[in-house]
Amino acid sequence: EVQLVESGGGLIQPGGSLRLSCAASGFIVSSNYMTWVRQAPGKGLEWVALIFRGGNTHYADSVNGRFTISRDNSKNTVYLQMNNLGAEDTAVYYCARVSDVRWSYCFDIWGQGTMVTVSS
Amino acid sequence: EIVLTQSPGTLSLSPGERATLSCRASQSVSSSSLAWYQQKPGQAPRLLIYGASSRATGIPDRFSGSGSGTDFTLTISRLEPEDFAVYYCQQYGSSPLFTFGPGTKVDIK
Repeated sequence: EVQLVESGGGLIQPGGSLRLSCAASGFIVSSNYMTWVRQAPGKGLEWVALIFRGGNTHYADSVNGRFTISRDNSKNTVYLQMNNLGAEDTAVYYCARVSDVRWSYCFDIWGQGTMVTVSS
Repeated sequence: EIVLTQSPGTLSLSPGERATLSCRASQSVSSSSLAWYQQKPGQAPRLLIYGASSRATGIPDRFSGSGSGTDFTLTISRLEPEDFAVYYCQQYGSSPLFTFGPGTKVDIK
């Protein structure tokens, strides 16, 4: 079965760091683009970060310089390292696979999400 | 930066009715990079439509997408009880790389 399972969320103080994990099964992470999307409570979806097949990365301006997306091919897992967290980073974080079928670049497989709460 | 606007914000309809959701881009978008998602409370989004008009795997044919340039539409031909949810459009572009619209909530009248 093709699926993504996120973990690592929790309550963290402002200025703190957290690393989210996204374990994939049923497909190979390194053969796909992978991304993180977040959703603040009661709000819409916001794209956060992308890792290309070749390992290059791209970030939303709101997290650039604070967040790092990476992957471990041996574990078939994608990570999101989040540093210098602020209240505005409070959200459910979703990991997703990016499909480039017919150059669509849409998110065809999603994890269940992991909640990150930044609060003192 | 491409901004996506969705209308209406909320659509109140009854089961069996037709739903027409709009997504408008601030500048022309490649049709191949326009997608629609459905999200129900407490769940992750689900891909419905990609490439503006292609249904994703397992999506019923009552869902259809159309449009080009700056105007795109998601149509649900006859609403089923499980279709009441929030719908987002999304595009792939330059900067930011991906943009979502603010969403349209389809609720029961």
